[in-house]
Amino acid sequence: NAGVMQNPRHLVRRRGQEARLRCSPMKGHSHVYWYRQLPEEGLKFMVYLQKENIIDESGMPKERFSAEFPKEGPSILRIQQVVRGDSAAYFCASSPGLAGVRNEQFFGPGTRLTVL
Amino acid sequence: DAKTTQPNSMESNEEEPVHLPCNHSTISGTDYIHWYRQLPSQGPEYVIHGLTSNVNNRMASLAIAEDRKSSTLILHRATLRDAAVYYCILRGTLNQAGTALIFGKGTTLSVSS
Repeated sequence: NAGVMQNPRHLVRRRGQEARLRCSPMKGHSHVYWYRQLPEEGLKFMVYLQKENIIDESGMPKERFSAEFPKEGPSILRIQQVVRGDSAAYFCASSPGLAGVRNEQFFGPGTRLTVL
Repeated sequence: DAKTTQPNSMESNEEEPVHLPCNHSTISGTDYIHWYRQLPSQGPEYVIHGLTSNVNNRMASLAIAEDRKSSTLILHRATLRDAAVYYCILRGTLNQAGTALIFGKGTTLSVSS
């Protein structure tokens, strides 16, 4: 059973370009979360999605960032007009979305974005 | 989610037990205590969780104080592979299934051979 998959693992963009980060959740998982880890900082929640719906985007920057989780295909985190401050590791996590008390999240290996 | 307090760093020797403390004095009665860890250059991984009773799994043990204001993650025999940042996180049972994890700074564990 494959784990959470993210691609690309490394992404280099120049200032002003667009970055698209992909996340395929574990099989059977319908909930996806995106987190960002800036250099030398902790992980920060960005957005939580279920299939075709954004449930909580309280951690998303107001501009240039968007996320989707379509009915078919991976979840996409899109960053438009990237700036050097967007350089970070972006992690995706998934959960089965059951209302159980364990509610473990399974993390992918991350995408390391470098903005030149 | 309530706030947790952890030491910034700890050191251990290989094959020795490690006790990682976490204070959560404002924990509510419905909050579960979860532990995740992040190995270098990897995504976080779940370690263990508990509510009131001590818990054991293949990775670690979790000892929860009787008043629940603190807990301790126990690695029984540290290995070099256990060197990581360990995060103590509170999760409420009243949360909907998809509540985000709120990470603090965690404890950086170093293991020496």
